[in-house]
Amino acid sequence: DQQVKQNSPSLSVQEGRISILNCDYTNSMFDYFLWYKKYPAEGPTFLISISSIKDKNEDGRFTVFLNKSAKHLSLHIVPSQPGDSAVYFCAAGSPGNNRKLIWGLGTSLAVNP
Amino acid sequence: KAGVTQTPRYLIKTRGQQVTLSCSPISGHRSVSWYQQTPGQGLQFLFEYFSETQRNKGNFPGRFSGRQFSNSRSEMNVSTLELGDSALYLCASSLAVVSDTQYFGPGTRLTVL
Repeated sequence: DQQVKQNSPSLSVQEGRISILNCDYTNSMFDYFLWYKKYPAEGPTFLISISSIKDKNEDGRFTVFLNKSAKHLSLHIVPSQPGDSAVYFCAAGSPGNNRKLIWGLGTSLAVNP
Repeated sequence: KAGVTQTPRYLIKTRGQQVTLSCSPISGHRSVSWYQQTPGQGLQFLFEYFSETQRNKGNFPGRFSGRQFSNSRSEMNVSTLELGDSALYLCASSLAVVSDTQYFGPGTRLTVL
């Protein structure tokens, strides 16, 4: 049972345009969410997070939006750059379950020059 | 500050053997988590250690075990290896609880023949 779902395995966008990566979750107890980026042969690196008390968090070119009623969050990258090409993972955590993170399967983003 | 290091980076074993992987967290980090990453399953949580105690455990068989030493370094062991254990094993450290931002190592690529 996948509690965190990233339904798009891959996404391709043009350099300079907006990249939108989506993540859906089923557990209403999740109270914080994180996005990680992973390059081949490297471990994931933290990108941005959001608490359930917010609906938006911005850091430079990266913005995460949270829609609690729809149990949906999205990561926007504007403008997209070729160096953003990587696999993006969404993860969620809750107060119960010892705050263990639950991860999505990832979305592979390709930004074309 | 040095990042999370994992050794070895690559490992080839045969079915039935056992393997030990090592992880050195970022200095000052007391929590170490282990993940298995496979193409179809994404990041699957194995276990988390904090102050030498296993605090969280994922849904893996008992062949997968781990431990943490007083200097926060951690090892994970897989006994009686199976072909399906071939994966990238990632270690992540954080200051305290799992909800803190996790910093990942580059991973150990295990191939079971």
